[in-house]
Amino acid sequence: QVQLVQSGGEVKKPGASVTVSCKASGYTFTNYGFSWVRQAPGQGLEWMGWISPYNGNTRYAQKFQGRVTMTTDTSTTTAYMEVRSLRSDDTAVYYCVGEREVTPYVYFHHWGQGTLVTVSS
Amino acid sequence: DIQMTQSPSSLSASVGDRVTITCRASQTISTYLNWYQQKPGKAPNLLIYGASSLLSGVPSRFSGSGSGTDFTLTISSLQPEDFATYYCQQSYSDTRTFGQGTNVEVK
Repeated sequence: QVQLVQSGGEVKKPGASVTVSCKASGYTFTNYGFSWVRQAPGQGLEWMGWISPYNGNTRYAQKFQGRVTMTTDTSTTTAYMEVRSLRSDDTAVYYCVGEREVTPYVYFHHWGQGTLVTVSS
Repeated sequence: DIQMTQSPSSLSASVGDRVTITCRASQTISTYLNWYQQKPGKAPNLLIYGASSLLSGVPSRFSGSGSGTDFTLTISSLQPEDFATYYCQQSYSDTRTFGQGTNVEVK
């Protein structure tokens, strides 16, 4: 079955960078795109961006343009997200999410377990 | 970006109640609207895609409707396991956005 397993929690200081990984298994990695979604404590879901493992194309929410980079490694079927210049309000659970398509609709079908990133001095 | 606004932000209900949650888009999104359920400490789960298509395995008490800018999620008879937070999300635009969520709590 499809599994998305994320890296463990991180504690970072303001101004630092963090990279979260998402290991995919149970399906053909290049067939579906990944989104990254975050959730600050007690808050709602926030879409950060998307990457195609097939060709590396990305698109980012305007809020994160220039501060977030999403990549994939097809040899290890792993997706990565780097967030730079961390601030305290980046403290959140970060989810990788596998998209699925039932033409013409796309939805978030498979979710990683989440990675808590804490930004604190 | 397309803004998604849910109402209410929270509601109190009892087991057996009919519950309706509304989601409004800032521009037309046809039927490119998905609904998710999230329980505390867990990742969200998809309930409905394409505004009204129930994901396989989701109980039939959940239903969705709407098109254009106005959408609803209805739970016909609330069950104990349905107390959770519900989010709408649009997939019309390449930049996806969620509603702010609706918390369904015990009355």
